[in-house]
Amino acid sequence: AQKVTQAQTEISVVEKEDVTLDCVYETRDTTYYLFWYKQPPSGELVFLIRRNSFDEQNEISGRYSWNFQKSTSSFNFTITASQVVDSAVYFCALIISSGSARQLTFGSGTQLTVLP
Amino acid sequence: KAGVTQTPRYLIKTRGQQVTLSCSPISGHRSVSWYQQTPGQGLQFLFEYFSETQRNKGNFPGRFSGRQFSNSRSEMNVSTLELGDSALYLCASSSGTGGFRGTDTQYFGPGTRLTVL
Repeated sequence: AQKVTQAQTEISVVEKEDVTLDCVYETRDTTYYLFWYKQPPSGELVFLIRRNSFDEQNEISGRYSWNFQKSTSSFNFTITASQVVDSAVYFCALIISSGSARQLTFGSGTQLTVLP
Repeated sequence: KAGVTQTPRYLIKTRGQQVTLSCSPISGHRSVSWYQQTPGQGLQFLFEYFSETQRNKGNFPGRFSGRQFSNSRSEMNVSTLELGDSALYLCASSSGTGGFRGTDTQYFGPGTRLTVL
């Protein structure tokens, strides 16, 4: 069975600070995808990034960056120079390729609050 | 392209009633998945439909059911509602046709917030 752990339940930072959200996953499959979603107060899950298990290159998109390390089964997300609009719940998720288990397995989420 | 739409956005029911939620996927997407989100259990997978067939099902009782129509729109039904069914129900769509089944990114709708009194 798959598992995603987001140990940080809540994080609070002041605007312009950098913040890293941790994600640790467990799976026996060698082929899988990892995702990050953002859930603002409106409730909709907004897709941020997808990474496959064969691509350990880090990725940067504007103020967002992701660090994927298979050796530690981690897929961490960093927001640089945080803004109030970044306040939301962030979910890390995993999907594997084998069998019929095509569903996303989500972590419990990290509530990020960016204070002005 | 229009995103995933879900109706209604809010719903209040009483115990014992049944409810039907609707989801319209992104145009061209053939896979629709449903998730339940509660404060206690987090986000949990309910089921996935592809080309009108249920392809996968999560660990939920038989009171939870769904279907998909030929235009890929999907409905989920919950019968004999219980207080614990109060949740945000999220629908996600993807193309569902990737050679590697996990490659399809799931795009979510705004959800239906169900309150059971």
